[in-house]
Amino acid sequence: DQQVKQNSPSLSVQEGRISILNCDYTNSMFDYFLWYKKYPAEGPTFLISISSIKDKNEDGRFTVFLNKSAKHLSLHIVPSQPGDSAVYFCAASLQTGANNLFFGTGTRLTVIP
Amino acid sequence: DVKVTQSSRYLVKRTGEKVFLECVQDMDHENMFWYRQDPGLGLRLIYFSYDVKMKEKGDIPEGYSVSREKKERFSLILESASTNQTSMYLCASKGGSQPQHFGDGTRLSIL
Repeated sequence: DQQVKQNSPSLSVQEGRISILNCDYTNSMFDYFLWYKKYPAEGPTFLISISSIKDKNEDGRFTVFLNKSAKHLSLHIVPSQPGDSAVYFCAASLQTGANNLFFGTGTRLTVIP
Repeated sequence: DVKVTQSSRYLVKRTGEKVFLECVQDMDHENMFWYRQDPGLGLRLIYFSYDVKMKEKGDIPEGYSVSREKKERFSLILESASTNQTSMYLCASKGGSQPQHFGDGTRLSIL
């Protein structure tokens, strides 16, 4: 049973616009959330994370929002760039630094020049 | 910068063969992981290890085993390869509470 869900397999956005990638989870015990980016023929790379005690974390063009009551998080990329085109995975764990990560199925973002 | 190296990028094996996938990390991380990535299923954890000679089953350990004889090396073993084990295999390592760092993956085809 998929505890972390990314319901949009793909997303296309114009360069310069905002990209919003969504992720839902079912386990209310999840305490820590991460986003990874994956280019073809490469492994996933860590992008940004958020603890459940926060509702927002920002790092440059990337912001993650967490809505615990809705069990929903989103990744905003502003402005989007062609180099952002990749597959994005969200992941969750029961505590910060825990070994067991639960991954979503990924969303392929295409940024159109 | 953390380096996680998987020995093969592409591998083709036959049904019934014993297959070894090797992973080496250079950051003295305690924790190492093996995942498989399949379309529509995301990354699923096969096994992880939190210390030398220690291992824990992940979500899909059936048909796989692992070996961690040295801290820097974590091997995934397919005891008798089957076609449903055709997949992308990803190794990761992690130190303390830091995020996992991934290798570039091994695309394994079982014929």
